[in-house]
Amino acid sequence: ILNVEQSPQSLHVQEGDSTNFTCSFPSSNFYALHWYRWETAKSPEALFVMTLNGDEKKKGRISATLNTKEGYSYLYIKGSQPEDSATYLCAHGGSQGNLIFGKGTKLSVKP
Amino acid sequence: DADVTQTPRNRITKTGKRIMLECSQTKGHDRMYWYRQDPGLGLRLIYYSFDVKDINKGEISDGYSVSRQAQAKFSLSLESAIPNQTALYFCATSDPIGPYPHEQFFGPGTRLTVL
Repeated sequence: ILNVEQSPQSLHVQEGDSTNFTCSFPSSNFYALHWYRWETAKSPEALFVMTLNGDEKKKGRISATLNTKEGYSYLYIKGSQPEDSATYLCAHGGSQGNLIFGKGTKLSVKP
Repeated sequence: DADVTQTPRNRITKTGKRIMLECSQTKGHDRMYWYRQDPGLGLRLIYYSFDVKDINKGEISDGYSVSRQAQAKFSLSLESAIPNQTALYFCATSDPIGPYPHEQFFGPGTRLTVL
């Protein structure tokens, strides 16, 4: 079993703050790194799937970077809004499509 | 309509009872997964299936069984439920082809309580 570690476990920020979280994973046999956004009482939804070292993905105010050689990915949120409040999950994927999830970072954005 | 549906959404049962959780999808994906989520532990894989004739154990399959009745349907059974199987259960699907390989699409979850 590959371990995926996320930090911090939880984060409280004010509206307008920019923030970032970390996902670390074993760098050997890398295939893909996934980020999911999970709002309370809803289904987790994919934000990004990254496969190449140095990949950078962006969706609105949210972006992610990937370093496969050192085994980490950062998720950035610029100008956090209350609707960004959610748990952000990262997952390490193998070539067969199975995902190993981290425990998530719970973000709370206060108006 | 949701692409991945789960029934029931909530279930309370007693220790020793047999429970079946059902998952249906209209995405046409071959691959389907069952996860459980416990507070502070993230999503853990119970079973997965890459097509109708394929069933594989995940990280925590003990105490569970599955049935892939059709491409669109994947059921999870607890043969004799126990309290530590109280959790939120998610079904997911994926397609290995495309620009975002293996992106998983999740159902709304089933909250199961075993008393």
